[in-house]
Amino acid sequence: AQRVTQPEKLLSVFKGAPVELKCNYSYSGSPELFWYVQYSRQRLQLLLRHISRESIKGFTADLNKGETSFHLKKPFAQEEDSAMYYCALRAGGFKTIFGAGTRLFVKA
Amino acid sequence: KAGVTQTPRYLIKTRGQQVTLSCSPISGHRSVSWYQQTPGQGLQFLFEYFSETQRNKGNFPGRFSGRQFSNSRSEMNVSTLELGDSALYLCASSSTGPNTEAFFGQGTRLTVV
Repeated sequence: AQRVTQPEKLLSVFKGAPVELKCNYSYSGSPELFWYVQYSRQRLQLLLRHISRESIKGFTADLNKGETSFHLKKPFAQEEDSAMYYCALRAGGFKTIFGAGTRLFVKA
Repeated sequence: KAGVTQTPRYLIKTRGQQVTLSCSPISGHRSVSWYQQTPGQGLQFLFEYFSETQRNKGNFPGRFSGRQFSNSRSEMNVSTLELGDSALYLCASSSTGPNTEAFFGQGTRLTVV
């Protein structure tokens, strides 16, 4: 079965501290993985995708097929990073499955 | 270009009624997906349409249905509404090809009373 697990519903860190949002997936094929973000009163939008191996707003995510993980990391959190983050797996064409989401709160 | 547009933005319905939500994808996008977003369950996949055909379906009862028109616009219908159907319904469109991102609309907030 295809599944995305985000074990933390809420993650609270201080500004300047490192942050890691965990994501584990279950999929028998070759996964396409994404991180989406939803800022307050804004629509859900793409943050980054694993295939690009890019850093967006200081965030990076590495696909670890052995651990079936795609954790999102940032070395120094900023207050404007406070948002809801969703890990997503695209499997079987265009069906995209989302995790339950992690709310990141960056304290001043 | 214009983003994904969902109408209406807000709806209040009573139990037992039926409701139709509309989604206009980004021009050129042929894939449209629907999701139900609730605080407790997060984003749950409802179904996905491509070229007027439903290609994928999530684990929702048959009261939830949808369709896509030749211009790629999509509608979602929920019949015999229940209180638990209260949620934000999100529509997303995407182009073809691997690793393409989904572009989301603002959603329709449905409240069932």
